[in-house]
Amino acid sequence: AIQLTQSPSSLSASVGDRVTITCRAGQDISSGLAWFQQRPGKAPQILIYDASSLESGVPSRFSGSGSGTDFTLTISSLQPEDFATYYCQQFHDYPLTFGGGTKVEI
Amino acid sequence: QVQLVESGGGVVQPGRSLRLSCTTSGFTYKTSTMHWVRQAPGKGLEWVAGISSSGYNKYYADAVKGRFTISRDNTKNTLSLQMNSLRPEDTAVYYCAKRESLDSWGQGTLVTVSS
Repeated sequence: AIQLTQSPSSLSASVGDRVTITCRAGQDISSGLAWFQQRPGKAPQILIYDASSLESGVPSRFSGSGSGTDFTLTISSLQPEDFATYYCQQFHDYPLTFGGGTKVEI
Repeated sequence: QVQLVESGGGVVQPGRSLRLSCTTSGFTYKTSTMHWVRQAPGKGLEWVAGISSSGYNKYYADAVKGRFTISRDNTKNTLSLQMNSLRPEDTAVYYCAKRESLDSWGQGTLVTVSS
């Protein structure tokens, strides 16, 4: 199985901050990576697919980059509604796998 | 709009069985791969099983292989997960999601395995 290592596991930030989360794959997954946001008690919601494509309806302050083994999710200016847990997920091969998550806190 | 609604969760004793369903609408179900993903209380996301659009190809996480069976009905736009020989570690919220990129999710259904 392709392992995804996400860092940091948690971070403290303030409204307006620029936040960067990284995800490293254990092998080359090309652009087969998605990013999700999960608020407490809610289902995950996709933010980014194909490593850098913004899902329809997602605010433009979210962006993704990378290919191969190293990927980044950036929130350009953190908003109150962005305090949540973020996950990366690879769909390059089965079994599909997730990173361990990054909790973004105030 | 896309809707996925899970049902069938509940409390079950270890070793027993449970069948989850996912009813879908708002997209072309018969052309979409479908998946089950679970989340144990306070833990991260874990992919459980996936099925190709035709239903011919099925994929499973090692943790459930041989115990869980994924299936679909393309005439009723529904997805199912038959869970046998349940264990306490299977306790989780189970979500259905579409496509390998998991671009839409249901609200989840809670399965609790406990004596």
